[in-house]
Amino acid sequence: EPEVTQTPSHQVTQMGQEVILRCVPISNHLYFYWYRQILGQKVEFLVSFYNNEISEKSEIFDDQFSVERPDGSNFTLKIRSTKLEDSAMYFCASIRTGQPFEKLFFGSGTQLSVL
Amino acid sequence: QQQVKQSPQSLIVQKGGISIINCAYENTAFDYFPWYQQFPGKGPALLIAIRPDVSEKKEGRFTISFNKSAKQFSLHIMDSQPGDSATYFCAASRVDQFYFGTGTSLTVIP
Repeated sequence: EPEVTQTPSHQVTQMGQEVILRCVPISNHLYFYWYRQILGQKVEFLVSFYNNEISEKSEIFDDQFSVERPDGSNFTLKIRSTKLEDSAMYFCASIRTGQPFEKLFFGSGTQLSVL
Repeated sequence: QQQVKQSPQSLIVQKGGISIINCAYENTAFDYFPWYQQFPGKGPALLIAIRPDVSEKKEGRFTISFNKSAKQFSLHIMDSQPGDSATYFCAASRVDQFYFGTGTSLTVIP
């Protein structure tokens, strides 16, 4: 089965530093997402991205966050100035066409620890 | 606003027993209701899904029951096995937007 790939698997950073989390969605997928999960609890929606622009974002996704698709394969999440409360597991996900009833594929996640 | 409410938060079941996880939603525009299974250190993976035009869907030991009028749906795991121990998330979707429940940590005791 095709996979969404995320790197790194773990990221440790100091508060106030910038981090970039990287994802390679499934090659023929067109819709991309970032979710986060704190301490194995609720999966929280951050942002969805289609056709090189944000299609929807949550209240969590403030000015400190940005997403980018710098080339034809990578999809990145940047946190400009990390806070302690940004510590979480970040998941990238993708679906193929955005049509109803599609399967959402998740990557294995990046565990971000802000010290 | 919590789009999807899930209960219980945790569940312990004996091997061979039935595990039941419940979810409720508010937005009647949702038209797809998947369940995801997550093992430690891994991303959620689609387990089974249902559309609101049917009341039940079964795949092996896993069954979704759907009550459109009550805006509720549930996952039943028959003959629960230790390998089923994981976190389960219900979700509700409309087109390209997915909203997840808070998750249920299932432990199946041998």
